[in-house]
Amino acid sequence: AQKVTQAQTEISVVEKEDVTLDCVYETRDTTYYLFWYKQPPSGELVFLIRRNSFDEQNEISGRYSWNFQKSTSSFNFTITASQVVDSAVYFCALSEALRMDSSYKLIFGSGTRLLVRP
Amino acid sequence: DVKVTQSSRYLVKRTGEKVFLECVQDMDHENMFWYRQDPGLGLRLIYFSYDVKMKEKGDIPEGYSVSREKKERFSLILESASTNQTSMYLCASRSEKTSGDSSSYNEQFFGPGTRLTVL
Repeated sequence: AQKVTQAQTEISVVEKEDVTLDCVYETRDTTYYLFWYKQPPSGELVFLIRRNSFDEQNEISGRYSWNFQKSTSSFNFTITASQVVDSAVYFCALSEALRMDSSYKLIFGSGTRLLVRP
Repeated sequence: DVKVTQSSRYLVKRTGEKVFLECVQDMDHENMFWYRQDPGLGLRLIYFSYDVKMKEKGDIPEGYSVSREKKERFSLILESASTNQTSMYLCASRSEKTSGDSSSYNEQFFGPGTRLTVL
């Protein structure tokens, strides 16, 4: 069965520290997609990144970077020089195909609450 | 910008009431989803719809039904609300259209959520 594990329930850091959020997944699919979403206190999930299973290149977007390693089934997310505005709940998610076309559903991890203190 | 709206941010209902949660998206997306979010469990899929009048059960459909009469609107119905349905409900939509690139696997866009309390 598909599964996503975010072992860190809550992380607290001081502003400007680097922080890594862990994500480990299980899937039997050979083609799959991994996602990270941010949920600020307002409640709306904000899409951050999508990565397909054929592309193991790490990605950097400003202060955010993602490390995808198929060998360890991990898709970790690092925030460099954290800021108070980064405080949110972060979800890692894995796609599961619903039909023979591109429809899919997301399997979410339980989320990691990040608190960045000034 | 894609916009997914939900009819209420907060809702309080009594046990046994029939409850309607409405979701509207303005981007002509084919797929729409209803999730519930509970502490320590992440988001779990209740129902989804891949097109008008089409619906499929998700992982936790018991106690819920859905309706999709128009492409832009997806309703979640609690036929007889119970206290264990107190939760945050999130709607999402997604386009099935792709550019043909295998890496183009469209993300889901989420609404702001409805926090439902059943007393």
